[in-house]
Amino acid sequence: GAVVSQHPSRVICKSGTSVKIECRSLDFQATTMFWYRQFPKQSLMLMATSNEGSKATYEQGVEKDKFLINHASLTLSTLTVTSAHPEDSSFYICSASGDREWYEQYFGPGTRLTVT
Amino acid sequence: GQNIDQPTEMTATEGAIVQINCTYQTSGFNGLFWYQQHAGEAPTFLSYNVLDGLEEKGRFSSFLSRSKGYSYLLLKELQMKDSASYLCAGMDSNYQLIWGAGTKLIIKP
Repeated sequence: GAVVSQHPSRVICKSGTSVKIECRSLDFQATTMFWYRQFPKQSLMLMATSNEGSKATYEQGVEKDKFLINHASLTLSTLTVTSAHPEDSSFYICSASGDREWYEQYFGPGTRLTVT
Repeated sequence: GQNIDQPTEMTATEGAIVQINCTYQTSGFNGLFWYQQHAGEAPTFLSYNVLDGLEEKGRFSSFLSRSKGYSYLLLKELQMKDSASYLCAGMDSNYQLIWGAGTKLIIKP
């Protein structure tokens, strides 16, 4: 149990376009979802935390108008990278916590974004 | 400030034991986590310690000393598939995870 899926797993887009990444909790209700990005050989960097039905809380330095997060239901959160640029190329990972062990975050498989 | 320190890379031999250390400084403390991350994949949960002492789970054990701000992950009977990065993360008073940069573990035959 406690499976989180992400779609797409890989995406290549042109500079200036927008990309949407979906994160779904498949077998539990995710009251809180987290979005991370990870550069090669670096640790996870939390971008934002979202609770179902409310606005996301962004970490310092993360542009909320560029990285749009929607957590419309207890099983789905989306991250939209707007007007993507090559420096946005990264590994984006979502995680979810909910009605299971409160302290445990279940991670999705990640999305590799490449902006050309 | 908040900080998690762990070695960048370690090498061990198949069948042996390895200990990965982690020191932490967080604003408040709500537990210490260890995650395993294979290259190009998302992290998977290994352990959670909030009280002092050793928690054993199969070949993996995790230890916590709150007074020393110190934890370690102990891996026994190493297998080639254990080659991965091991991430230490502390949870602060706001229940936010503060992540270390990860320790890349290389297992040699």
